[in-house]
Order: sequence, then structure tokens, then C-alpha cells
Amino acid sequence: DAGVIQSPRHEVTEMGQEVTLRCKPISGHDYLFWYRQTMMRGLELLIYFNNNVPIDDSGMPEDRFSAKMPNASFSTLKIQPSEPRDSAVYFCASSPRLAGAETQYFGPGTRLLVL
Amino acid sequence: RKEVEQDPGPFNVPEGATVAFNCTYSNSASQSFFWYRQDCRKEPKLLMSVYSSGNEDGRFTAQLNRASQYISLLIRDSKLSDSATYLCVANTGGFKTIFGAGTRLFVKA
Repeated sequence: DAGVIQSPRHEVTEMGQEVTLRCKPISGHDYLFWYRQTMMRGLELLIYFNNNVPIDDSGMPEDRFSAKMPNASFSTLKIQPSEPRDSAVYFCASSPRLAGAETQYFGPGTRLLVL
Repeated sequence: RKEVEQDPGPFNVPEGATVAFNCTYSNSASQSFFWYRQDCRKEPKLLMSVYSSGNEDGRFTAQLNRASQYISLLIRDSKLSDSATYLCVANTGGFKTIFGAGTRLFVKA
């Protein structure tokens, strides 16, 4: 079975540019999560969706970040404009239900470097 | 203070050693707990859940102490393949999943 798919796997961009990260959740999973991981702050939940609807975006750092889920099989996380402090690994995860962390399946991540 | 705190390590141990990691959580409303494993440059993956009664999976034993608000992971007979970062996770219900920063383990031959 295909797991969570993320693209691109690596992204290098310059400060001020728009960055779009993509995620395809596991088919049949109703919940989708976006996380950010840095050495300093660890793994942080940014936003999560249920049935394509954003439920809680309190973890989104600021207005430069936005996330959408136009359908059950696709989500994007956009950063505009990007800044060097946005450099991190961004993980997408999906889950068949809203339960504990035992049901979350992570994608391979997108490594973002903003110069 | 972080909601979930772990000793970052690294822990350097020889093969065959027993190693223990501890983790503390600050939110007494936390309901469920887990250990995740993350290999270098890979995504986190669930290692095991942690129950109040303690649970064991092969060489791995997890314990929860609600009174003291800490969680532990014991690895017996360490293997080279156990080298990874171990993330402690607390969940307060629903989506509220808090990950610790992780403890790095290096197992040497």
C-alpha cells in the first residue's frame, strides 16, 4: 500500500520566494496533519484537517503560512514570502480517525532550505 | 517549560547494553502516551504505546507513572539497528499531540 506521499522531497529557495509543499494522504484517511521539525523546536503540529476542512490552525506560525485541502487526496502548505527561519523539515501525516498518535502515519517529509 | 521534555543525549552504548530513556510531561490532562522512533533523515514511526500497567514488546519495555508525570523506555540487549532518535509523545485527546524533542541513541559494536 502506498503511504503518505510528499513532494518535493527537497526544496532550496531564496528569501522572499513562495514555497508550496504538497501532500497526498493515505486513501481512506479522514485526517491530515502538517508538522514542522527543527533542531531547536522539535516536531510541532501546524494545522490539521478533517474531511478536507481545517479544524485547528493554532500552530501555524504566522500569516505567511497557509494550508489548503481541496479534496480528500491532496493538501498544500504554502509559505509566502519565505524567510530563512522557515528552514525545516515539513512532515505531512494522515490518520483514519481522530485518536492518539498511534494512528498517525507520516510521510517522508520535505526538507526546506531558505537562503 | 516545554510540555514534553526529554534528555537529548546522545546516549552512546555498546551492543548488548541496556539503556533507559525518561520523559516528563507537564499537562496532567494528557491521556495517552507513545514512543516514536526516528531514523536519521527519515520520518517518525510509532514504536509502541505506553500504558499505565506498563507494556513490553520484545526487547522494549515502556512504563508510565501518572503521579510523577513521566514515561520511560527501556531497551535491553541493544542492537546496532537500535541507533536512532526516540521521541516521547503525549496526547491530551483528539489532535493535541505533543512530541518531545527526542533522545539520540548510538549503539556501537
